This record gives sequence, structure tokens and C-alpha cells, in this order.
Amino acid sequence: SAVISQKPSRDICQRGTSLTIQCQVDSQVTMMFWYRQQPGQSLTLIATANQGSEATYESGFVIDKFPISRPNLTFSTLTVSNMSPEDSSIYLCSVEDREGNSYNEQFFGPGTRLTVL
Amino acid sequence: QKEVEQNSGPLSVPEGAIASLNCTYSDRVSQSFFWYRQYSGKSPELIMSIYSNGDKEDGRFTAQLNKASQYVSLLIRDSQPSDSATYLCAVGDYKLSFGAGTTVTVRA
Repeated sequence: SAVISQKPSRDICQRGTSLTIQCQVDSQVTMMFWYRQQPGQSLTLIATANQGSEATYESGFVIDKFPISRPNLTFSTLTVSNMSPEDSSIYLCSVEDREGNSYNEQFFGPGTRLTVL
Repeated sequence: QKEVEQNSGPLSVPEGAIASLNCTYSDRVSQSFFWYRQYSGKSPELIMSIYSNGDKEDGRFTAQLNKASQYVSLLIRDSQPSDSATYLCAVGDYKLSFGAGTTVTVRA
């Protein structure tokens, strides 16, 4: 499966500021996804990022708060804008990697642990 | 997003026993079902995918899918302390919905 890296691995930020999270994949992938995992919770899909088109956001998430870029088939960024303590979460990118008879399988990066003070 | 519910934990099993995890989902259209394992402080790791009714075995793991009942399960045979983790059920055809997870502790 693809090797996925994220930067930064963790950060502590002040409220009102913004943080951009990078996701790098070692192979070209069509679909990349951004998830949030709030403390003690499961994963929630924020948006789907496809190269060459606008990201598609899930209910409850908006582009002004979570702008996403997807400049090529190996890279994406998620920005958490105008942060508040409620944005403290782990942010994860994932990619769909198709091999053999498997499909729709997603593999996750190591995550970015964000704390907003 | 689709609703995905897992049996509440935590689940504690002795080493060598079978751990049984259950998951129900609301969306009848989905054709893809997954189990992820997440160790504390780590990201989810895919351990099983299943697409058709019946059983799928991979080592000590067996996934079972029943689309009519909208039910998917995971059995962990010969449980080991290294299996202690949170197991997440995920459903969806490219956009995944996750259950809340079941925390499994294997007692040595």
C-alpha cells in the first residue's frame, strides 16, 4: 500500500490563528480524504480532495473553515482556519489504494495532533 | 453520513480466547465494509475488507457480512496481548462512515 506522511505531526496553536497540514503520498493516487478524530471519538470525514477539482465537503464542514488544496496526485493540504479550542483534534489524511480484487480501501497517514489554546 | 453502530465496549478477553466484535449499518446501498485497528496514539490500520455475504478469513481474523441484516462482524481467534486496541468498523464506497469503535483488552 501507499506510504503516507503528514506534517506537522503535532502542534499547539493559539485561538484565532490558522494551521496548514500537509499530506504527501509516495505514489500517485486519485482520491485523497481528510478526516477529523476528536478526543475519545471516532473518525469523521471532512472532505474529499480530487486533483483538478474543488474539494467536496461533508455536512457540517465548510470551505472557509477548512480550505483544501490538491495541486497534484501525490500531495494535499488542509488548513484549519481561525482556530478555536473546539478544533483540537487529530487530523488524518487517507488515500484510496486499489490492488487486485480490493477496492475502496483507504489507508491513513500518521495524523496531525492539534491542540488549540 | 451513514450510521454505523458497534457493540459497546470495552471488551476484555483472556489470552487465547476469541474476541467477537459486531457492527450494524443503516445504508443498504454500500457494498464495501472494513475493519480497522487503532492502537492508542496511532492512526487506524486496515486489517480486513469484505464485499460479499459470508465469511472472509485472514490469519487469526475472520470477517462476516450479512447484507440482508445490515450486519458485519469481526472474530479474532487466539487473541494475543498485541491485539489490545480499538477496532473500528467502516462502511462506504469511497466515502467511509466509521463506528465509534470497540476497545479490546486481551488479558495475559
